[in-house]
Amino acid sequence: EVQLVESGGGLVQPGGSLRLSCAASGFTFSSYGMSWVRQAPGKGLEWVSGISDGGGSTYYAASVKGQFTISRDNSKNTVYLQMNSLRAEDTAVYYCAKVAGAYFFDYWGQGTLVTVSP
Amino acid sequence: EIVLTQSPATLSLSPGERATLSCRASQSVSSFLAWYQQKPAQAPRLLIYDASNRATGIPARFSGSGSGTDFTLTISSLEPEDFAVYYCQQRSTWPPAFGPGTKVDIK
Repeated sequence: EVQLVESGGGLVQPGGSLRLSCAASGFTFSSYGMSWVRQAPGKGLEWVSGISDGGGSTYYAASVKGQFTISRDNSKNTVYLQMNSLRAEDTAVYYCAKVAGAYFFDYWGQGTLVTVSP
Repeated sequence: EIVLTQSPATLSLSPGERATLSCRASQSVSSFLAWYQQKPAQAPRLLIYDASNRATGIPARFSGSGSGTDFTLTISSLEPEDFAVYYCQQRSTWPPAFGPGTKVDIK
């Protein structure tokens, strides 16, 4: 059974940093790209970042480029999202998702809430 | 950047009725379109990929159609557990993008 478990969310002040983690199991992690998708309270889904299976290629939404860094450790079956210079508009539930086919998302974690507030 | 529009914003139906949800792209996405279902306080779930292929474990009452710029998700007969928000998503061009969603609620 595929499982994705996010952690690392919480309350952070504007300008602060957080690192999210997503531990994967139930599939050959090193064979799949992974992504982060966020959802602001009461809003829709926004793709944030992606990383290739080997970690050699990374992708970012324009809204977070230069601010967030995605990485992965295939020996630990874990993908990370380092978030710096956080702003109120980064407040959201952050989901990690397994990439399938032509960049669709076939499995999702339960999400971790990031709240940016003084 | 491709923009996806979903209609209607809200669809009020009764269990057993047929639901037809629309997703329109600002330019052709070929068949690179997926549909997701999201229930309150839950993660999204992939329903349909490549416009018309059901994902693993998805009941046959869910079907997708379309290509180019116009796509449809059809739920042939609504079950109580189908009342949720539905999002379309394209990956024809970078970055991947989601539509704003259609909420299917109980009439």
